[in-house]
Amino acid sequence: DVKVTQSSRYLVKRTGEKVFLECVQDMDHENMFWYRQDPGLGLRLIYFSYDVKMKEKGDIPEGYSVSREKKERFSLILESASTNQTSMYLCASRGRQGNTGELFFGEGSRLTVL
Amino acid sequence: GQNIDQPTEMTATEGAIVQINCTYQTSGFNGLFWYQQHAGEAPTFLSYNVLDGLEEKGRFSSFLSRSKGYSYLLLKELQMKDSASYLCAVRGGSYIPTFGRGTSLIVHP
Repeated sequence: DVKVTQSSRYLVKRTGEKVFLECVQDMDHENMFWYRQDPGLGLRLIYFSYDVKMKEKGDIPEGYSVSREKKERFSLILESASTNQTSMYLCASRGRQGNTGELFFGEGSRLTVL
Repeated sequence: GQNIDQPTEMTATEGAIVQINCTYQTSGFNGLFWYQQHAGEAPTFLSYNVLDGLEEKGRFSSFLSRSKGYSYLLLKELQMKDSASYLCAVRGGSYIPTFGRGTSLIVHP
């Protein structure tokens, strides 16, 4: 079975802390994505990666960075957490465009910044 | 840019049929997806349309009209477990999917 695993389901951090959200997929997928999901706003794309060492900004990259050192792992970094980054963070992966190209999502990481 | 619009909330009765609409404006088009998301869980893939017409998969069907920028998800024989959010996502010219805000469906007995 396809599996996308996010390291932490729930985190509570303080303003100014550095936060790492980890995502691992076991499907040998090239593409990986980070979204945040907020009530009334839906899923918004933060960053994505086409392959190892590659990264592209999404619609709301400000305040975030990412790292893709290995194909299976895509990390989201909040250099200095702020209260407006309190949200649900969803990681997703996708294989090559040979089929429908649907996204496979992790269970999400709910981050609260105090 | 892309603009995707779907109703915020819908209610329906167990056993009934419900249609969730999605309209979109996009630069380039490479497919439309529907995902289901139960509260506290990950979104899961339901359907994909890239050509005009209806795709049927059990109790769920999805329709696409590219000329009208319009899709709908049709759920038949509603069950209580169908209570969830339904997310419409459009893959544009960049092959990156953009999501609508989601439709929360409440199925009551």
